[in-house]
Amino acid sequence: ILNVEQSPQSLHVQEGDSTNFTCSFPSSNFYALHWYRWETAKSPEALFVMTLNGDEKKKGRISATLNTKEGYSYLYIKGSQPEDSATYLCAQSGAGSYQLTFGKGTKLSVIP
Amino acid sequence: GAGVSQSPSNKVTEKGKDVELRCDPISGHTALYWYRQSLGQGLEFLIYFQGNSAPDKSGLPSDRFSAERTGGSVSTLTIQRTQQEDSAVYLCASSFGGTSGYNEQFFGPGTRLTVL
Repeated sequence: ILNVEQSPQSLHVQEGDSTNFTCSFPSSNFYALHWYRWETAKSPEALFVMTLNGDEKKKGRISATLNTKEGYSYLYIKGSQPEDSATYLCAQSGAGSYQLTFGKGTKLSVIP
Repeated sequence: GAGVSQSPSNKVTEKGKDVELRCDPISGHTALYWYRQSLGQGLEFLIYFQGNSAPDKSGLPSDRFSAERTGGSVSTLTIQRTQQEDSAVYLCASSFGGTSGYNEQFFGPGTRLTVL
């Protein structure tokens, strides 16, 4: 059974601040790490899928890194904007499995 | 093209009643998943359909829960004799098939179920 932990649970930042969250996961049987953004009343939206140790991916002001040996991923947001307010979910899949095991999410609120 | 759609968006029901939740996946996606998020919890896997294969029901919390997928497309999740602990947001997702955990899952907006 995979156990995915995210921290912090919630976060308030001022507009323009940069921030980051952590996702930790068991490093054994790792296959892929997914990040999703879930805005209220909308569908969760995929941000990144990463598989290789040392992977770093970027989309606009958002980037993510992956360390499969120690079992963690960081999500960074540079210059937070109010539209970044959402719950950020990470999920791990194991080798040969289609199932995603999700963390509880980090709820980000960006204050204008 | 259209994304994953779910209906209803909100459902309030009385304890003991049956409910049906519907999911329309993205056309061409052979894999379909149901998840739920209870208050304060992460997304919990419920059931997985892949093509014509037998579904993986390992995540269903009790025999009051069942799901079917007709014609390899639309899926219905049925909860019989609802209980208050069934209150949650029920999410459906679809993806291209296969056993790869790399496949991006596309989510619907969810159905918020409240059992009074």
